[in-house]
Amino acid sequence: GESVGLHLPTLSVQEGDNSIINCAYSNSASDYFIWYKQESGKGPQFIIDIRSNMDKRQGQRVTVLLNKTVKHLSLQIAATQPGDSAVYFCAENSGGSNYKLTFGKGTLLTVNP
Amino acid sequence: GAGVSQSPSNKVTEKGKDVELRCDPISGHTALYWYRQSLGQGLEFLIYFQGNSAPDKSGLPSDRFSAERTGGSVSTLTIQRTQQEDSAVYLCASSPGGSTALYGYTFGSGTRLTVV
Repeated sequence: GESVGLHLPTLSVQEGDNSIINCAYSNSASDYFIWYKQESGKGPQFIIDIRSNMDKRQGQRVTVLLNKTVKHLSLQIAATQPGDSAVYFCAENSGGSNYKLTFGKGTLLTVNP
Repeated sequence: GAGVSQSPSNKVTEKGKDVELRCDPISGHTALYWYRQSLGQGLEFLIYFQGNSAPDKSGLPSDRFSAERTGGSVSTLTIQRTQQEDSAVYLCASSPGGSTALYGYTFGSGTRLTVV
């Protein structure tokens, strides 16, 4: 079946650098995408979302880019901090579902002080 | 409540035993979801409840898995005759529901189930 996938399972960056986490999705009918952050022992926490009628959305220190042509999603974190260390998941509304999410496998981000 | 509450936080059970996992959603949220997270994997959809509508059970992996939601609030996920492959973190989420079901998904901290 169609699914969301991530290219890199781990990413290590220096504190203060920018981080980029990538995600590929394969269901062209999906029209809503979310990035989640999951710290150890906790549930996923919403970071930022984007609808398919947009190609970029910015939040506080985070930016999500959506390229529908190549079905690619990325999360950019500016001035990465140790508190950003976590697993990051992208998710899509499964084939356009109005309630179900399909998650990628996650990328572990480690920020070195 | 202030957030989604799940209990127990950890559960170790013997193969073949039944387990019940509980979820208390955010007050007022009509949509409730169960997801499963296996080691090193993303979240896998299990079941969705919306108000009094029939639940979407399409993600339940076998007939050993069942869930109910009483009074439109608390939900219990039951796994009968547990197997080692059932070991995972079971996450519950709730959201305002309806046309906004996708927005405001809030997850609990999960129940880590270990079958030995």
